[in-house]
Amino acid sequence: SAVISQKPSRDICQRGTSLTIQCQVDSQVTMMFWYRQQPGQSLTLIATANQGSEATYESGFVIDKFPISRPNLTFSTLTVSNMSPEDSSIYLCSVGSRGTSGFSTDTQYFGPGTRLTVL
Amino acid sequence: AQSVAQPEDQVNVAEGNPLTVKCTYSVSGNPYLFWYVQYPNRGLQFLLKYITGDNLVKGSYGFEAEFNKSQTSFHLKKPSALVSDSALYFCAVGQGTGSARQLTFGSGTQLTVLP
Repeated sequence: SAVISQKPSRDICQRGTSLTIQCQVDSQVTMMFWYRQQPGQSLTLIATANQGSEATYESGFVIDKFPISRPNLTFSTLTVSNMSPEDSSIYLCSVGSRGTSGFSTDTQYFGPGTRLTVL
Repeated sequence: AQSVAQPEDQVNVAEGNPLTVKCTYSVSGNPYLFWYVQYPNRGLQFLLKYITGDNLVKGSYGFEAEFNKSQTSFHLKKPSALVSDSALYFCAVGQGTGSARQLTFGSGTQLTVLP
């Protein structure tokens, strides 16, 4: 079955620094999404990572704070910039597909997440 | 705008008993409904979905869910709970056609199965 991996799995960072999170899929997928799960909270969509074009951000999230890359159909990165303790969360990528590459249509599959702690 | 409500933060059930985790939704148009489970320090695992067709959907690990359009509900059920089912469960609704669209998640329900 298709595998979604994220790096790093966890990190502890200092205020004011930036962290880039990688999401790798072992097959080509159409859609890639980035979510944030704050402590004890549900998931909130940050943006949709579009291959070959700018990411589409949800209300409350901006490119300067969360720049995203999607260089190909198997890889994406999310950068959390100029971090503050309020950015401490689990960041998850998810993928969707049109039914190829081992993924069912209309379903999002999630990576294991990156647990970020900002001091 | 679409929304999902999980009215119970916590559900406790004895092992071997049936379990129900409740979910109601609000969406314009036809809903795409999903259940995911999150184990400690793990990502979300897909359990089941309703897109169209039979109202009773069967998924992974013996779970099933019933789509009720009149009550706008999509409750998750299992006939006989296991201790290993203890986890955080999320209901989600999406809209659109074709490939996966944006999901809106409920607040989550912590299920504890007592031995």
